[in-house]
Amino acid sequence: DQQVKQNSPSLSVQEGRISILNCDYTNSMFDYFLWYKKYPAEGPTFLISISSIKDKNEDGRFTVFLNKSAKHLSLHIVPSQPGDSAVYFCAASGSAGNMLTFGGGTRLMVKP
Amino acid sequence: NAGVTQTPKFQVLKTGQSMTLQCAQDMNHNSMYWYRQDPGMGLRLIYYSASEGTTDKGEVPNGYNVSRLNKREFSLRLESAAPSQTSVYFCASRRTGGRGYGYTFGSGTRLTVV
Repeated sequence: DQQVKQNSPSLSVQEGRISILNCDYTNSMFDYFLWYKKYPAEGPTFLISISSIKDKNEDGRFTVFLNKSAKHLSLHIVPSQPGDSAVYFCAASGSAGNMLTFGGGTRLMVKP
Repeated sequence: NAGVTQTPKFQVLKTGQSMTLQCAQDMNHNSMYWYRQDPGMGLRLIYYSASEGTTDKGEVPNGYNVSRLNKREFSLRLESAAPSQTSVYFCASRRTGGRGYGYTFGSGTRLTVV
């Protein structure tokens, strides 16, 4: 049973608009959440993270929101750019921080 | 460039053959990991090594073995490959004290078992 789920396998957005990627988790012991970005033929690279003591973290065009009561987080990209086209993975870890549990990924396509 | 290096990048095996995937990092990280990526399943942890000399099973260890040869190198071995092991394999390392942002991934090994 997947503990981290990304229910949308793909998302298509027009350049300049907002992209919203969603992620749900089931394990209450997760206390740190991350988004990774992956281009074809490359390994995932860290994008942005949020601790469970916060409900929002912002880094430039990227903002992650955490709703602990709903066990839901989302990644907002504003404005979206064609270079943002990639697969985005949501991940979570517990307090030990020594393992990441990943969601299935969402393929984002930003159209010029 | 500093980072995680995986070899080979591509491999085709016949069912029952064995092979070892190599991984090396030059960032002096203590922890190293092997993940596999399958469509819709995300990345699933196969084995990890919290420090030199230790290894532990992850979510999907069956059919695999690992060796933490030294602090830099962490290899993954398939003793008798099966079609279900067709996947993209990623090695990662993590700096001490780093949460998820401390992970660095290699570029992957695409393995096909026929």
